Amino acid sequence: EVQLQQSGAELVKPGASVKLSCKTSGYTFSNYYMSWLKQMPGQNIEWIGNIYGGNGGTGYNQKFKGKATLTVDKSSSTAYMDLSSLTSEDSAVYFCARKNYGYNFFDYWGQGVMVTVSS
Amino acid sequence: DIQMTQSPASLSASLEEIVTITCQASQNIGNWLAWYQQKPGKSPQLLIYGTTSLADGVPSRFSGSRSGTQYSLKISRLQVEDIGIYYCQQASSTPYTFGAGTKLELK
Repeated sequence: EVQLQQSGAELVKPGASVKLSCKTSGYTFSNYYMSWLKQMPGQNIEWIGNIYGGNGGTGYNQKFKGKATLTVDKSSSTAYMDLSSLTSEDSAVYFCARKNYGYNFFDYWGQGVMVTVSS
Repeated sequence: DIQMTQSPASLSASLEEIVTITCQASQNIGNWLAWYQQKPGKSPQLLIYGTTSLADGVPSRFSGSRSGTQYSLKISRLQVEDIGIYYCQQASSTPYTFGAGTKLELK
């Protein structure tokens, strides 16, 4: 069974950074891209970027370049996302989601993690 | 970026009713379109990909279609468990973009 388990909720101060994790199981991590997505309360879903589990190759939404940095640890089948210089606009739920190779849709999702930026 | 204009924003329907949600793409995306259902406090779940293909485990009352750059999700006989927010996603080119969502409620 494919599972994506995300780390817990974060409360961070403005200007700080946070690192989110997404531990996977049930499939061959190195054969798939992992995407990260942002959903502000009551808002649309935004695609942040993706990273290939095999070689760490990345692709970013221009909007999130400089804000998000994606990495992987193949040994633990875990994907990470660093968010830097946090502001209130970064307060949102962040999802990791496995991207289907052929059709570019997201077939498995993590449960989401709430990041709250507040002093 | 490709814009996905989804309508309606909200919809109230009765059990067993036919429900249709549409998404208009700002440019040609072929059949690179997926639909998701999201329930409160949960992550989105894939319903349809490639415009018309049903994801594993999705009931056959869900179907997808396309006319040009307009895409539709149809629920043939609405059930209680279908209540939630529905999103379309274009999978043609990065950045992948989503519609703003349709909130489906029971009348």
